[in-house]
Amino acid sequence: DAGITQSPRHKVTETGTPVTLRCHQTENHRYMYWYRQDPGHGLRLIHYSYGVKDTDKGEVSDGYSVSRSKTEDFLLTLESATSSQTSVYFCAITPTRNTEAFFGQGTRLTVV
Amino acid sequence: QKEVEQNSGPLSVPEGAIASLNCTYSDRGSQSFFWYRQYSGKSPELIMFIYSNGDKEDGRFTAQLNKASQYVSLLIRDSQPSDSATYLCAVKENAGNMLTFGGGTRLMVKP
Repeated sequence: DAGITQSPRHKVTETGTPVTLRCHQTENHRYMYWYRQDPGHGLRLIHYSYGVKDTDKGEVSDGYSVSRSKTEDFLLTLESATSSQTSVYFCAITPTRNTEAFFGQGTRLTVV
Repeated sequence: QKEVEQNSGPLSVPEGAIASLNCTYSDRGSQSFFWYRQYSGKSPELIMFIYSNGDKEDGRFTAQLNKASQYVSLLIRDSQPSDSATYLCAVKENAGNMLTFGGGTRLMVKP
């Protein structure tokens, strides 16, 4: 157990509303990631963080923002949710720069 | 754009057979290679990683890497129904820390 907790686990929201997903880790790891998973596309990187207030964009960052004010928390915000953002979102951490990633349980987000 | 390609399947094998899962990648700078297993509705879990050309064995699993051909595979010996899942190939370049995933191969092991 990599000590990763995602919240909420499920959420239904309306188009145009803001949504924030939270990833909390208990291991004090430096590297954290947000992925989305859609049928036929596998896991695609949205944003990642190398430390507090150190974030960067991934492959599919449009429409998403992130914040990391504490080592243990990495927040993903959809400023104005769209139906194309309906997906399963996974948070991941890597203990060091060169090791494998460990994933949280996922958040299933539906935008109606 | 870096690409990691997998046949989506499903790959169907009988119980006790060898399942062979394949993955190709486009970035020649890739240095680390990972296989994850994902059960339906669950998060991916790491099975194996491989960094060097050749084979790496762990129990019933063998990862094979050929950097010249930009090809990595996962063999599952004595396949069990509990191995039925989607298998994700992931690749990391040496300079960066981001994993690029393939779309996954769905494996079905039939009793």
